[in-house]
Amino acid sequence: DAKTTQPPSMDCAEGRAANLPCNHSTISGNEYVYWYRQIHSQGPQYIIHGLKNNETNEMASLIITEDRKSSTLILPHATLRDTAVYYCIVRVYGQNFVFGPGTRLSVLP
Amino acid sequence: DSGVTQTPKHLITATGQRVTLRCSPRSGDLSVYWYQQSLDQGLQFLIQYYNGEERAKGNILERFSAQQFPDLHSELNLSSLELGDSALYFCASSVGRTGYNSPLHFGNGTRLTVT
Repeated sequence: DAKTTQPPSMDCAEGRAANLPCNHSTISGNEYVYWYRQIHSQGPQYIIHGLKNNETNEMASLIITEDRKSSTLILPHATLRDTAVYYCIVRVYGQNFVFGPGTRLSVLP
Repeated sequence: DSGVTQTPKHLITATGQRVTLRCSPRSGDLSVYWYQQSLDQGLQFLIQYYNGEERAKGNILERFSAQQFPDLHSELNLSSLELGDSALYFCASSVGRTGYNSPLHFGNGTRLTVT
């Protein structure tokens, strides 16, 4: 599996943008980048995914660098409810989702 | 709400017993995945079914088995339970066979406690 590296923890002030980085330097051309989050012990929640282009939905934006070796998940206006563990996953064709330790984001009031 | 339903939410049982966890996928999804999350292991992929057939196997113990029924719901059977099997068990579903360009949607899990 293409390995991802994320910082173990980050803080963000409520109302500010949260920018969560992910390195995936061994990614191949046809592998997707997915982001999930897990709030407390709930089931992981799908946020967004992309291949090459930047993507945006109602939850977040995904910025993928031109060389595809890294990406950033942006939560534009973080709220306390965004406190969670965020997982960046590179989806390899024919293999299943592999979850690493993720980044624990704390949104502070 | 992801649309994936798991029952029961909590299960407490004794060592050596057998339990069955149930999962109903989102409407229209043909693939069902099972994951285990324990404190020291993170989320571990166990097994995937697609339209009733086993498609992929991960770190699933021989004491564990699963199946997907014609109505696409799935059951995970855990037998000869040990203390170390205490964990959260998540089910996820996706539209396609590989989930490659379609996300997995997770249920809220079954918390199993083995005493």
